[in-house]
Amino acid sequence: GAGVSQSPRYKVAKRGQDVALRCDPISGHVSLFWYQQALGQGPEFLTYFQNEAQLDKSGLPSDRFFAERPEGSVSTLKIQRTQQEDSAVYLCASSLARELMNTEAFFGQGTRLTVV
Amino acid sequence: AQSVTQPDIHITVSEGASLELRCNYSYGATPYLFWYVQSPGQGLQLLLKYFSGDTLVQGIKGFEAEFKRSQSSFNLRKPSVHWSDAAEYFCAVGARNTDKLIFGTGTRLQVFP
Repeated sequence: GAGVSQSPRYKVAKRGQDVALRCDPISGHVSLFWYQQALGQGPEFLTYFQNEAQLDKSGLPSDRFFAERPEGSVSTLKIQRTQQEDSAVYLCASSLARELMNTEAFFGQGTRLTVV
Repeated sequence: AQSVTQPDIHITVSEGASLELRCNYSYGATPYLFWYVQSPGQGLQLLLKYFSGDTLVQGIKGFEAEFKRSQSSFNLRKPSVHWSDAAEYFCAVGARNTDKLIFGTGTRLQVFP
């Protein structure tokens, strides 16, 4: 596709349920980022992949959060045993170059997760 | 630690009026600076970025921003606002040799006809 695609667009989960959020980056983009955007806040970095390698996961808030990109293309963010504080919009971004600062990161529309 | 402050949570302007959105950053060296716009239901779109060189940066949609090292600021400006500019605007900072952006909390722009 022409842009970064995320699915589902909306997800309602019961507290304690596991969820999986998908990101299809722009074809050929090497770098992939996940951000979490709580209501009324700016996006906060979660994790970064360069191809299939997860180079930075310093922003993952707990061990309930797990991200993968096994073939260097599609990425999945998994949240286990969801809690209410996980409610947020999860944004995925991809960029062509190895270093974000040498190119532009293109963002998807996000997945809005609501934990009830 | 790097941080970004956007002092104005909400700004309202009339269509055709000039606009300035404030952004202050905290970083020990010269940072990379970005402005993004987020319309409802849309992803973040890059308006402009500053890495080095000329401190006045031109972006898309008629926006510009000026990097002022002495004030640790990177304010976004537009001489004449259009109704379609109504959106949320985010300033972000990135450190050299890292891969992530630190975003401010955003400024919501409302435009009245």
